[in-house]
Amino acid sequence: EAGVTQSPTHLIKTRGQQATLRCSPISGHTSVYWYQQALGLGLQFLLWYDEGEERNRGNFPPRFSGRQFPNYSSELNVNALELEDSALYLCASSSPYALGYTFGSGTRLTVV
Amino acid sequence: GEDVEQSLFLSVREGDSSVINCTYTDSSSTYLYWYKQEPGAGLQLLTYIFSNMDMKQDQRLTVLLNKKDKHLSLRIADTQTGDSAIYFCAEEGYGGSQGNLIFGKGTKLSVKP
Repeated sequence: EAGVTQSPTHLIKTRGQQATLRCSPISGHTSVYWYQQALGLGLQFLLWYDEGEERNRGNFPPRFSGRQFPNYSSELNVNALELEDSALYLCASSSPYALGYTFGSGTRLTVV
Repeated sequence: GEDVEQSLFLSVREGDSSVINCTYTDSSSTYLYWYKQEPGAGLQLLTYIFSNMDMKQDQRLTVLLNKKDKHLSLRIADTQTGDSAIYFCAEEGYGGSQGNLIFGKGTKLSVKP
């Protein structure tokens, strides 16, 4: 069974640009979660999507947004990039029938 | 507010037991998780414990939960060099908090041969 896959693995952007990160959940998982792992700040919850809807949001500005597609894959968009957005972005998925969250290997975003 | 605290570093010798400790503040937490992160990799779920349990054992891993003190520990028996990684504990609350895991900053475990 394929795990949670994220693309790209690495992304370098210039301050002010937009970044799009992608996530494919495990087959059968309907919920997708996004986390930011920034140096010194640890792992912070960003967004939760379920059945195409945003269900919960962490303490991040509106320039962090995303969506979930009918096949349950998800995109995270970060607009007007700032240097502090440099981090590892992790996606996780879960099933409504089983406990726990499975994480992908992440996308490392570097803003220069 | 919610907060999860862990010590940042632990060093043990190969073959010894490792004990990684964690304290949390949200008494309404339903599940508590332990994740492992190897360099350059994502998070691997190691084990979890429901908040009404005291202990859970899974092969070399033993989780102890002291609800009164809001203290969680992960014991790794017969620690191997392959266990070197960062270990995160995380708590999850009820209902609308689904997916909003509150993570500690992680404990870096170094295993010396």
